[in-house]
Amino acid sequence: QQQVRQSPQSLTVWEGETAILNCSYENSAFDYFPWYQQFPGEGPALLISILSVSDKKEDGRFTIFFNKREKKLSLHIADSQPGDSATYFCAASASSGSWQLIFGSGTQLTVMP
Amino acid sequence: GPKVLQIPSHQIIDMGQMVTLNCDPVSNHLYFYWYKQILGQQMEFLVNFYNGKVMEKSKLFKDQFSVERPDGSYFTLKIQPTALEDSAVYFCASSSPEQGGDTQYFGPGTRLLVL
Repeated sequence: QQQVRQSPQSLTVWEGETAILNCSYENSAFDYFPWYQQFPGEGPALLISILSVSDKKEDGRFTIFFNKREKKLSLHIADSQPGDSATYFCAASASSGSWQLIFGSGTQLTVMP
Repeated sequence: GPKVLQIPSHQIIDMGQMVTLNCDPVSNHLYFYWYKQILGQQMEFLVNFYNGKVMEKSKLFKDQFSVERPDGSYFTLKIQPTALEDSAVYFCASSSPEQGGDTQYFGPGTRLLVL
């Protein structure tokens, strides 16, 4: 049973477009949601994160929109660049727990020049 | 950002042998984690460790697995004996939880192949 789901599995956009990656979760106790970027052969790198008390978090071209009621969030990558081509993982954890991260299955993003 | 190092980057081992994966966490971090990623799948939590003790472990953390961080050196994951299904990439992460979330920093992974 997957606690964190991501869609789409893969996404292709043109350079300059906004890529939208979706994530949903089941456990109401989750209150911290980081997004990680992973390039082939490397470890995941933290991109941006949000706490459940917020509904939006921006960092440069990256924005998280969070809907607590629907248990959904999305990562928007504005002005996508070919260098953004990577796999993006949504993760979740609960501050009431041991901080273990539950990962989604990832979205493979390709940005075409 | 902060760097987590992992040694070795690759390891090939015969089934039944012992293997030790080493992690050099971020210097002032206090919490340490191991995750397992099978090719093409998501990362799954194995175990976390704080103050010399396992805090929580998942079903994937079999009896053949053990972790330790002797004298503040490497944080290690030992598998003894190894099995074919242990083939995966193992990622170490470290964090220093603060109010507002646990920012975990990951190493580049150790690719383990059990033959």
